[in-house]
Amino acid sequence: DAGVTQSPTHLIKTRGQHVTLRCSPISGHKSVSWYQQVLGQGPQFIFQYYEKEERGRGNFPDRFSARQFPNYSSELNVNALLLGDSALYLCASSTGGRSAVYEQYFGPGTRLTVT
Amino acid sequence: AQKVTQAQTEISVVEKEDVTLDCVYETRDTTYYLFWYKQPPSGELVFLIRRNSFDEQNEISGRYSWNFQKSTSSFNFTITASQVVDSAVYFCALSESDNYGQNFVFGPGTRLSVLP
Repeated sequence: DAGVTQSPTHLIKTRGQHVTLRCSPISGHKSVSWYQQVLGQGPQFIFQYYEKEERGRGNFPDRFSARQFPNYSSELNVNALLLGDSALYLCASSTGGRSAVYEQYFGPGTRLTVT
Repeated sequence: AQKVTQAQTEISVVEKEDVTLDCVYETRDTTYYLFWYKQPPSGELVFLIRRNSFDEQNEISGRYSWNFQKSTSSFNFTITASQVVDSAVYFCALSESDNYGQNFVFGPGTRLSVLP
């Protein structure tokens, strides 16, 4: 079975531009989460979606937005890019659920460089 | 607020040595979940274990073992007879559950280097 896939693998953008990152979860998984991992640090939670609804939001500015589609794939959008947005963006999927927290399976990430 | 501390930034051991990675967490919830992930040089996070707050039984999986102690809010990870392939950054993570929402809080990670 295919794991979590993300595109693109690498991306170079200029300050002020906009970027869209894409993620396809493992088949059957309804929950998708996005994380930002700056070099040398642990992943920081950005968003979680379950059944196309936002279920969690981390401490990130409104320049960051996301959505989940009917096929459970997801997009992360970042507007007005800053140098500090340079990071590895990770997507994770899980079965999701109301009464328990299940392990998340991570994709390979998108390496974003803002110049 | 949730918080995960991994006090060991980097550890170096020689192959076949045992090594323990420490994880201390903070949460106000009585129901929570703890995880360990491995991030090898390739960059992709690999799930190792999930434990809920009601299950304090220690677990062993091959050379890996986990010691969960609620009394000290710790969830430590031991690798027995380490191998070079164990070299990676290891993250401990905590998540509470709130009506379908789940917010994973990761620790800063411990970089393990296993030398031949």
